[in-house]
Amino acid sequence: GAGVSQSPRYKVAKRGQDVALRCDPISGHVSLFWYQQALGQGPEFLTYFQNEAQLDKSGLPSDRFFAERPEGSVSTLKIQRTQQEDSAVYLCASSLEGLGGPNTEAFFGQGTRLTVV
Amino acid sequence: GDSVTQMEGPVTLSEEAFLTINCTYTATGYPSLFWYVQYPGEGLQLLLKATKADDKGSNKGFEATYRKETTSFHLEKGSVQVSDSAVYFCALSAYTDKLIFGTGTRLQVFP
Repeated sequence: GAGVSQSPRYKVAKRGQDVALRCDPISGHVSLFWYQQALGQGPEFLTYFQNEAQLDKSGLPSDRFFAERPEGSVSTLKIQRTQQEDSAVYLCASSLEGLGGPNTEAFFGQGTRLTVV
Repeated sequence: GDSVTQMEGPVTLSEEAFLTINCTYTATGYPSLFWYVQYPGEGLQLLLKATKADDKGSNKGFEATYRKETTSFHLEKGSVQVSDSAVYFCALSAYTDKLIFGTGTRLQVFP
C-alpha cells in the first residue's frame, strides 16, 4: 500500500505477556518513529531510526521496551512482561528524511491499540 | 524541556462558524510548528506547518501563523463544515527528529 501500515490493529495481552508490534513504513522512507498515545493524550515519542540505526531511544519508558529495524525497512516494537500501564495506542510514522528540513513530513499509521488485562 | 500547550476541548460549533484553537509552545531556539488532524478511525495527518517566524501555514481553509513574540501557533478557519469534526494536535520539532505534541483538541461541528 501507499501508506504506513501497522499490525495488528488491536492486541489484548494478559499482564506479563510479551507482545510484538509491527510497522511497515512507506517504501524508501529513511526515518521511522514510534510514539505512544495514552487515552485522551497526545502522542509521546518513544524512539527514532534512520535506516537501520536507532539514533534516539530516549523516550522508551523502561528496559521492557525494545525496538528494531534490522534491514532499514520494517520495524518491530517489542514489549516484554506487559503491565497495565502499557495500555495505549502505539503509533508508527515514517518520513523521507529527517524532520529537520523544511520539506519533510511524517506520515503516520493508524496505530496498534494495546490493552493489557 | 520543550512543550506544547493547546486549549482543551471539546470545541462545539455550528456549521459555518469561525474556529480558533489556541496553541502555545515552549522551546529553545526556533522550532518548526505543525498542526496534525485525526479524523475518526484514521491515522494522524499533517494539516499544515510553518518553519520560521511569521510564516503562515495553510491547507483546506485552515491557517496558522508562527508568532515568535507570543510563542503561539493558533489554528483558525473562517467557516467550519461537519466534515472538519476531528481531533486536532499542535506539535513542534526543535532541532531534533522528534515531534512533541499537545494533548489534542476535539472539534465537533453540527449542521
